Order: sequence, then structure tokens, then C-alpha cells
Amino acid sequence: SQTIHQWPATLVQPVGSPLSLECTVEGTSNPNLYWYRQAAGRGLQLLFYSVGIGQISSEVPQNLSASRPQDRQFILSSKKLLLSDSGFYLCALWMGSGELFFGEGSRLTVL
Amino acid sequence: GQQLNQSPQSMFIQEGEDVSMNCTSSSIFNTWLWYKQDPGEGPVLLIALYKAGELTSNGRLTAQFGITRKDSFLNISASIPSDVGIYFCAVPPRNRDDKIIFGKGTRLHILP
Repeated sequence: SQTIHQWPATLVQPVGSPLSLECTVEGTSNPNLYWYRQAAGRGLQLLFYSVGIGQISSEVPQNLSASRPQDRQFILSSKKLLLSDSGFYLCALWMGSGELFFGEGSRLTVL
Repeated sequence: GQQLNQSPQSMFIQEGEDVSMNCTSSSIFNTWLWYKQDPGEGPVLLIALYKAGELTSNGRLTAQFGITRKDSFLNISASIPSDVGIYFCAVPPRNRDDKIIFGKGTRLHILP
């Protein structure tokens, strides 16, 4: 069965610093991959999704970017973090039918 | 675009009470999903519904796929403290280039 790993689990960064969150999946190939952000106690905001290597769709204009250098790797990045980037970031995968599977999440605090 | 209207937004209940929440849409869907998110964790699938009118149970949870295919309901009977969390309804993408759609969530709080 497929598994999703997110790293790091927790991150505290100063404003203006760069960001790199990594998501890797196992047990599957050619999945759709998604990055969501969730503010405290709020819903899921879709940031990016990818249907294949090098293919990124952006949902929300912001200072974040995403890349998919390998089939099972999805990276969320920023060159300069803002306070508003704080939140809980979730990676998810979908295999073309059925449910969406989520990772454990990465909690980012920007100070 | 397509939206799921999930209600209530939050609930404060006593332990042992039953809970009901629902999702509605103006669009027709072939699958409805219900997720639960525990604090600090990723959402986990509770129940998947694939057929209009279908009623599916998972322990104390029961979900129904509305006959019109535009809505779904989730009920929790005899709530316990570990039921606390955020419940999301969702519909999967129609194809590989589409997106999964989530409701905004129902936050369940259980009063001591």
C-alpha cells in the first residue's frame, strides 16, 4: 500500500528566510500529488497539484512554489517567507480513483 | 467552480450525544468521501460512498449518499472524547487533471 512521508514535521523560520518542505511517496507510481495549507482550526486550501514529473498547477498566487523533480517527490519552496505563510502543510496523493491519501503534515511557524 | 457547502461549521456537544453533519452541492457527484482530521495530523478517510442512496456504517459512524447525488450526511452516535476533530466531506476528481473538492469542515468539540 502507498505511504506518504513529509519532512520536516515541524519548522520554525524567521521572516525572509527560505523554505523547503519535502514530500515523498512509496508503494505507488505516477500519482497525482497535492500540497495543501491549513491555518489553525481552518479548512484545507489547495496550493499546488501535479499530475506528473515537472508538471505543476498553481491554485493560489503567493510567494510559494512547487516542483516535482521525480515521480515520487514533491517539494514546496519559498525564497522569502512571510508571516502569513505560517500553517500546517499537507501533502496528499491520488491514484486516479477512490480516496485521497494524506501525509502526516509539516507545521511551519514563521516568526 | 464547484463547491461543497458543509454544515454546521462547528459543534459543541456533550459526551454521549449524537452528531449530524451534512454536505450539499449544486453539482451531481458519483462518489462522496468523509474524512476526519485529529489535531496536528493529516486527514484520514472514514467512509467512502459510491452509490446514490447508499448507507454505510463504520462503527458508530454512519454516512449516506443522497438520492439526488448532490448531498451526503454523516452521523456519529454516542459521541466519545476521541471523536473531537475536524470532519471534512470531499468528492474526488473527475479525471487526472481535475482537483478533489473539500468542504470547509465541521469542527466537533466535546464538552467535559
